[in-house]
Amino acid sequence: IAGITQAPTSQILAAGRRMTLRCTQDMRHNAMYWYRQDLGLGLRLIHYSNTAGTTGKGEVPDGYSVSRANTDDFPLTLASAVPSQTSVYFCASSDGNTIYFGEGSWLTVV
Amino acid sequence: RKEVEQDPGPFNVPEGATVAFNCTYSNSASQSFFWYRQDCRKEPKLLMSVYSSGNEDGRFTAQLNRASQYISLLIRDSKLSDSATYLCVVKFPKIIFGSGTRLSIRP
Repeated sequence: IAGITQAPTSQILAAGRRMTLRCTQDMRHNAMYWYRQDLGLGLRLIHYSNTAGTTGKGEVPDGYSVSRANTDDFPLTLASAVPSQTSVYFCASSDGNTIYFGEGSWLTVV
Repeated sequence: RKEVEQDPGPFNVPEGATVAFNCTYSNSASQSFFWYRQDCRKEPKLLMSVYSSGNEDGRFTAQLNRASQYISLLIRDSKLSDSATYLCVVKFPKIIFGSGTRLSIRP
């Protein structure tokens, strides 16, 4: 069982470029999340989706957008990357109780 | 006040020691509680859920104190492999992660 797959694993991106981080889960969980984790700030929720077709804003949504066309996929898009978006991004899903994380996408914006 | 607060540490203890962390939460309506473990440059992984009556999993014991609004994690006979960051998680039903407590076990 793959669980949650994120791609790319790491990426260096020029400021101003558009970037989509992909996330796919095979557990058929309704809820999915995108977090970013920065040193000293812990995990911060960017966007979430409680079920396919719905999305919501988290704690730090500015500069990011998501879509949830189906249960399995939850891509995160940076429309125009800025250096402050350099971070590690974790996609997660939940069975209603436990949260499961992908291995993360390390993004550097230069 | 943060919704979930943890002592960031680092805790540096010798192998074989017993170490305990606390995590406080502000919302008295919180429903579920968990401890996650995160290794350096890895994703967080569930260590254990925390039940009202307290629960144990091998060398790990988790407790919940609703009156004082904190959860705790006790690690007995610590191993080098226990070195990691431990995150507490509170659900009410919004899910909030603490910033984590760094633990380093020395030989």
